[in-house]
Amino acid sequence: SAVISQKPSRDICQRGTSLTIQCQVDSQVTMMFWYRQQPGQSLTLIATANQGSEATYESGFVIDKFPISRPNLTFSTLTVSNMSPEDSSIYLCSVLGTGSPRGSYEQYFGPGTRLTVT
Amino acid sequence: EDKVVQSPLSLVVHEGDTVTLNCSYEVTNFRSLLWYKQEKKAPTFLFMLTSSGIEKKSGRLSSILDKKELFSILNITATQTGDSAVYLCAVDSNYQLIWGAGTKLIIKP
Repeated sequence: SAVISQKPSRDICQRGTSLTIQCQVDSQVTMMFWYRQQPGQSLTLIATANQGSEATYESGFVIDKFPISRPNLTFSTLTVSNMSPEDSSIYLCSVLGTGSPRGSYEQYFGPGTRLTVT
Repeated sequence: EDKVVQSPLSLVVHEGDTVTLNCSYEVTNFRSLLWYKQEKKAPTFLFMLTSSGIEKKSGRLSSILDKKELFSILNITATQTGDSAVYLCAVDSNYQLIWGAGTKLIIKP
């Protein structure tokens, strides 16, 4: 499995500001994912970060609000822009693990960033 | 629309009890079903199931998949307080994970 680190681990931010979260993997991976987990809820996929091309966003998430960079195969950033209290969440990056013989993949997660917007 | 439903949403038991957590799904292109344990922030991977009827086991935890009836169960025997967590089920449908809401398990000493 890959070793994934995220920075910062937590932050408290004022509304209207932006925060960039970094995700570093110890090996080259093709696909990296960014998730959000709001208090008391399950994980929601924000976008898939693709190396060398724009991220692919899920319904309800847009690039202006959550710009993503993927400069190489081991690193990605997610920016939460113009924050509001509704953005208070845990943000997680993840990568695909090695596949089973049938080609299906498990995901491994970074430690998460706990964001509180006041 | 793809969906994954977990039950119960929460469960409180005493140490030493055995628990069974349920996950049912309806997806367009099933590839695998995954179980995760989430204690603080990041989920940790437990099992990946792709074939019906084959039990996966790790210590006191075991899981099995029924692809005909579209569900999986996660069993935990001889529970300990350290098993207290949210247990998440996800189904890989075309390499996209569809997440259940989770079961919050509390083990009382």
